[in-house]
Amino acid sequence: QVQLQQWGAGLLKPSETLSRTCTVYNGSFSDYYWSWIRQPPGKGLEWIGDINHRGYTNYNPSLWSRLTISVDTSKNQFSLRLSSVTAADTALYYCVRGSPLQRLAHDPTDWGQGTLVTVSS
Amino acid sequence: QSVLTQPPSASGTPGQRVTISCSGSSSNIGVNTVNWYQQIPGAAPKVLIYDNYQRPSGVPDRFSGSKSGTSASLAISGLQSEDEADYYCGAWDDSLSAWVFGGGTKLTVL
Repeated sequence: QVQLQQWGAGLLKPSETLSRTCTVYNGSFSDYYWSWIRQPPGKGLEWIGDINHRGYTNYNPSLWSRLTISVDTSKNQFSLRLSSVTAADTALYYCVRGSPLQRLAHDPTDWGQGTLVTVSS
Repeated sequence: QSVLTQPPSASGTPGQRVTISCSGSSSNIGVNTVNWYQQIPGAAPKVLIYDNYQRPSGVPDRFSGSKSGTSASLAISGLQSEDEADYYCGAWDDSLSAWVFGGGTKLTVL
């Protein structure tokens, strides 16, 4: 059973950079897409982007200019960096295993526990 | 404003059948498969339906999915109190090259 464990700062000031890293355990890291998804408090889900083990990424167009998703296959980790944050970036952040690469799809499938990131001055 | 459109709320009494709709376009639902996610309050979402109508192991057959053209539906029969949750549809959008979600439907079991 795949386990996803993320860490990073939980409280940021406006204009700072949000950084989160997710470590994958028992997840066949090279065989799947790996996604970041967020959920503002009391609101719906927003897909941030995904990456595969080769570093090929897909980004949400609305976040593209501020977003970097990267991968470290030696550590079975993938990371999120979102620059110039504002209060609108306050959300539960989820790291998620997506579809197997052979499916040529990007369906978010296995979700880790969300972690709240708050942006406040 | 979500790319996929869902009603914000739905309700039913125990034992009833409830349907939740998800409307998209020719760049997402019209050409790609649809997933449905269930999110119990305080928990992470989980896949309820994938590939339009497939159920992961462990999901009761009371839950069913369908798709027609640029719309999809989730049906829940024999409604139970534990079905009270938020439900989201999702699909890949070829124009955006991004996964898109509906805004979510809050299901209340009366």
